[in-house]
Amino acid sequence: AQRVTQPEKLLSVFKGAPVELKCNYSYSGSPELFWYVQYSRQRLQLLLRHISRESIKGFTADLNKGETSFHLKKPFAQEEDSAMYYCALSGRLGGYNKLIFGAGTRLAVHP
Amino acid sequence: EPEVTQTPSHQVTQMGQEVILRCVPISNHLYFYWYRQILGQKVEFLVSFYNNEISEKSEIFDDQFSVERPDGSNFTLKIRSTKLEDSAMYFCASTWGTSDTQYFGPGTRLTVL
Repeated sequence: AQRVTQPEKLLSVFKGAPVELKCNYSYSGSPELFWYVQYSRQRLQLLLRHISRESIKGFTADLNKGETSFHLKKPFAQEEDSAMYYCALSGRLGGYNKLIFGAGTRLAVHP
Repeated sequence: EPEVTQTPSHQVTQMGQEVILRCVPISNHLYFYWYRQILGQKVEFLVSFYNNEISEKSEIFDDQFSVERPDGSNFTLKIRSTKLEDSAMYFCASTWGTSDTQYFGPGTRLTVL
């Protein structure tokens, strides 16, 4: 079964603290993994995808196939990082890449 | 930067009524999707659409649902006879190719009374 698990509903940190938002997945095959972010009253937007291997807004995520994880990390959280973060996978079933989302983690960064 | 747009932003309807949710994907995109998010739950895939036909649908997408691309710009989701449990946020997304990023619209909040 295809599944994305984000175990934390809420992650609360102080500004400048390191952040790690956990994501584990279940998929038989080679999925593509994404992190989407939704700031208050805004649309879902792509933060990063594993094949790009880039850092966006200081966030990075490494795909660990052995642990089936794709945790999102930032060394120093900023208040503007406060948002809802969704991990998602694309299974490419039939060539049409529907996204399967986790339940999301709300990141609250306090001053 | 081009964006996916959705109308209306909020739709209130009575149970049993038909609703049509509208989306305007990014103009050169070829693949279109609908997702929904019931309050407090995860974003769920409903349907994907390519070349004027459904390419994949989830078990949620039953006979009460239909999608259409009536012209070169709009992509619609119709719910024939709404139920209370259809109350959710509905997101449209589009992408140029299946390997590319899906761009999401702002969503339509559907409230069924």
